[in-house]
Amino acid sequence: EIVMTQSPATLSVSPGERATLSCRASQSVNSNLGWYQQKPGQAPRLLIYAASTRAIGIPARFSGSGSGTDFTLTISSLQSEDFAVYYCQQYNNWPYTFGQGTRLEIK
Amino acid sequence: QVQLVESGGGVVQPGRSLRLSCAASGFSFSSYGMHWVRQAPGKGLEWVAGMSYDGSNEYYADFVKGRFTISRDNSKNTLYLQMNSLRSEDTAVYFCAKDHTWGHYLEYWGPGTLVTVSS
Repeated sequence: EIVMTQSPATLSVSPGERATLSCRASQSVNSNLGWYQQKPGQAPRLLIYAASTRAIGIPARFSGSGSGTDFTLTISSLQSEDFAVYYCQQYNNWPYTFGQGTRLEIK
Repeated sequence: QVQLVESGGGVVQPGRSLRLSCAASGFSFSSYGMHWVRQAPGKGLEWVAGMSYDGSNEYYADFVKGRFTISRDNSKNTLYLQMNSLRSEDTAVYFCAKDHTWGHYLEYWGPGTLVTVSS
């Protein structure tokens, strides 16, 4: 199975600043990569699919990039509601696999 | 508006069985693949199983193969997860999720149902 590795595990950023989250696949997943946001006690929410396409209703401050094995989620100017856990997930091969998550916390 | 509502969770003894359900509404259920994803307390997301829109294809994570079975009843707009030989490490919130089509990203998620495996 494809192993997804996210870094860092925890990222401390001040509101208004930029956050950059990384995700690496153990083999190529082409652009079949999604990013999800999860807040405590809630279900995950799709942010980005096909590595760089924002899902419906997702603000423009969220952007994704990358292909093959290396991917990035960037949040350009952090708002208070953006502090959460972020997961990447590949859907190129079965079984689907998630990264272990990056916790984005207020600095 | 897409709605997914899981049910069937609870406390179960190790080695016993449990069946989860996911009631879907707001979209044409029989046209979309569906998945189960779980999250152990304080841990990350784990994909469990997926099934194609017509039930002809199903896939599983290695850690549940032979113990869990995904199924669907398109006449009832409902997805199921039959869980047998449960272990303490199966304790988790179980989410159902709608695929964008089939073999794609997880577009919508239910709120989840908690399964606790304990004696």
